Amino acid sequence: GESVGLHLPTLSVQEGDNSIINCAYSNSASDYFIWYKQESGKGPQFIIDIRSNMDKRQGQRVTVLLNKTVKHLSLQIAATQPGDSAVYFCAENKGGQNFVFGPGTRLSVLP
Amino acid sequence: DSGVTQTPKHLITATGQRVTLRCSPRSGDLSVYWYQQSLDQGLQFLIQYYNGEERAKGNILERFSAQQFPDLHSELNLSSLELGDSALYFCASSVDQGARTEAFFGQGTRLTVV
Repeated sequence: GESVGLHLPTLSVQEGDNSIINCAYSNSASDYFIWYKQESGKGPQFIIDIRSNMDKRQGQRVTVLLNKTVKHLSLQIAATQPGDSAVYFCAENKGGQNFVFGPGTRLSVLP
Repeated sequence: DSGVTQTPKHLITATGQRVTLRCSPRSGDLSVYWYQQSLDQGLQFLIQYYNGEERAKGNILERFSAQQFPDLHSELNLSSLELGDSALYFCASSVDQGARTEAFFGQGTRLTVV
């Protein structure tokens, strides 16, 4: 499949364990963030979003935490499954359609 | 399957040439976005169209242009191609033009400039 980045940081987790993927953003005024999942050979897929007036948002098996003090975003995946193997990256909205995307983290789920 | 169709899937061309990438949005979506994903720059927003009109511009080079047609499909034209233009080009679509509307991505066109 296509490789989105040969030198991405990699997180390896055992199937069934929880995964935590981190992202630092640059602009303290950014007010909207998205986490994307990109599987090999596919386009990015929206996972979950969060606005800056929240510090936590939960979806199905995923939770996003936002720490505005240190400009840090994390994505937690509960009970990680083989189908979760992908590259995950965050996007920071700097106004309008101006999204800045993080470099991504490759999640590898071990059997 | 996101419902967004991009053609071709792969394209190999020489420096100095011009290519056109095509995108058909999901049925009912009026907004189309183009992105470039390269190994060194990551994913970058290029341009957005909504119902045929340009709505937002990102890091799009002057050698690149796009348009959205009355049937809502979009084309991205890349000219005077350079080796550094080799990348994955994604199209995404959404039902409206707001930044907080979920966008659905196609599978991309892999452009290789040799």
